[in-house]
Amino acid sequence: DTAVSQTPKYLVTQMGNDKSIKCEQNLGHDTMYWYKQDSKKFLKIMFSYNNKELIINETVPNRFSPKSPDKAHLNLHINSLELGDSAVYFCASSQEGQARSPLHFGNGTRLTVT
Amino acid sequence: GENVEQHPSTLSVQEGDSAVIKCTYSDSASNYFPWYKQELGKRPQLIIDIRSNVGEKKDQRIAVTLNKTAKHFSLHITETQPEDSAVYFCAANKGSQGNLIFGKGTKLSVKP
Repeated sequence: DTAVSQTPKYLVTQMGNDKSIKCEQNLGHDTMYWYKQDSKKFLKIMFSYNNKELIINETVPNRFSPKSPDKAHLNLHINSLELGDSAVYFCASSQEGQARSPLHFGNGTRLTVT
Repeated sequence: GENVEQHPSTLSVQEGDSAVIKCTYSDSASNYFPWYKQELGKRPQLIIDIRSNVGEKKDQRIAVTLNKTAKHFSLHITETQPEDSAVYFCAANKGSQGNLIFGKGTKLSVKP
């Protein structure tokens, strides 16, 4: 069983389109995250949700909107996609906050915007 | 804000040799320092972590040391094997309860 699963694995789309990435965790964790890994492999947090409530929103354009219908799911919706949005997006979860417990990452979604 | 510097960016060693990766951080309130390993095309996975109340932690061939005064911590891998080849990321939390800031990664290549 995959603990943190995200779909799709690959996403190729054109500039200006709107797309969503879904994430689900079956670990019973309270906190979920979205990370972006660019072509240089830099890992940067985008959002953090604790029990369906947003607790961290780094300097991310408002074209990116996370949605958490329950604490096991955290989806990412992206409007008006731009070339610079091309990256691998990782969903993650942790039992407590990042300062207290390990992150469990999903397998990533490779987004390519053409 | 917190800044995490990681060196070297690439490291090549012969199988059986040791590898050391170093990180420095800027926030004196940081108290959690994990290390993640990311194999090519895979997700990052935690390999070891250390908290500020200890100076060293070992797990088989992997060890992490922390120097709070100097604000640096290091990953040591002994008896390296080809399967240790990956990108390794250090991280430190921003403030005592804040989110993790990752280093830029070290690509380790272990040559058989």
